[in-house]
Amino acid sequence: ETGVTQSPTHLIKTRGQQVTLRCSSQSGHNTVSWYQQALGQGPQFIFQYYREEENGRGNFPPRFSGLQFPNYSSELNVNALELDDSALYLCASSLAGGEFYEQYFGPGTRLTVT
Amino acid sequence: LAKTTQPISMDSYEGQEVNITCSHNNIATNDYITWYQQFPSQGPRFIIQGYKTKVTNEVASLFIPADRKSSTLSLPRVSLSDTAVYYCLVGDMFSGGYNKLIFGAGTRLAVHP
Repeated sequence: ETGVTQSPTHLIKTRGQQVTLRCSSQSGHNTVSWYQQALGQGPQFIFQYYREEENGRGNFPPRFSGLQFPNYSSELNVNALELDDSALYLCASSLAGGEFYEQYFGPGTRLTVT
Repeated sequence: LAKTTQPISMDSYEGQEVNITCSHNNIATNDYITWYQQFPSQGPRFIIQGYKTKVTNEVASLFIPADRKSSTLSLPRVSLSDTAVYYCLVGDMFSGGYNKLIFGAGTRLAVHP
């Protein structure tokens, strides 16, 4: 069973640029969620994708967007980067209708905006 | 969604039992209580989930009193590798067809030799 993987591991961008982060779901999982975790804080929910459609969104502006592909992998896109976007971005996969409130997280992508 | 309150940090020693209590006074009928563990530079990892009374798995126990306004995560005989941040989450498993996890600041557990 393959776990959740994310790429790249680290990324440095300049304010105003755009970034794309990638996530491969755990085998058999059809739902992907993205979270932003600032240093010293808990992860904050960005949005969730199910069957290639956005299926819930947190309090993040439209410049945060995403995609889910037929193989359930996913991308997070952030436009017009701001300094406050510097954070660890976590992807989590789950199985819709699963027994537990359980999501499987990847190791994250550390984004630094300068 | 119910708000959770837990201690910011705790210290313990190897071999001791650690109990982390979480307060969730506004828990709703459909809400479950879930705990996650996070090591530095890693994503959170599911530990345990419960609705009421006591739940035990190979890693931890979760104690939930009858009023469900609090819960206690119990880690038996901790080791140095249990040093991590522990998050208590409360959420409705049947909320609109999707399950977003609402994390607070968590409890930073430091286990000392």
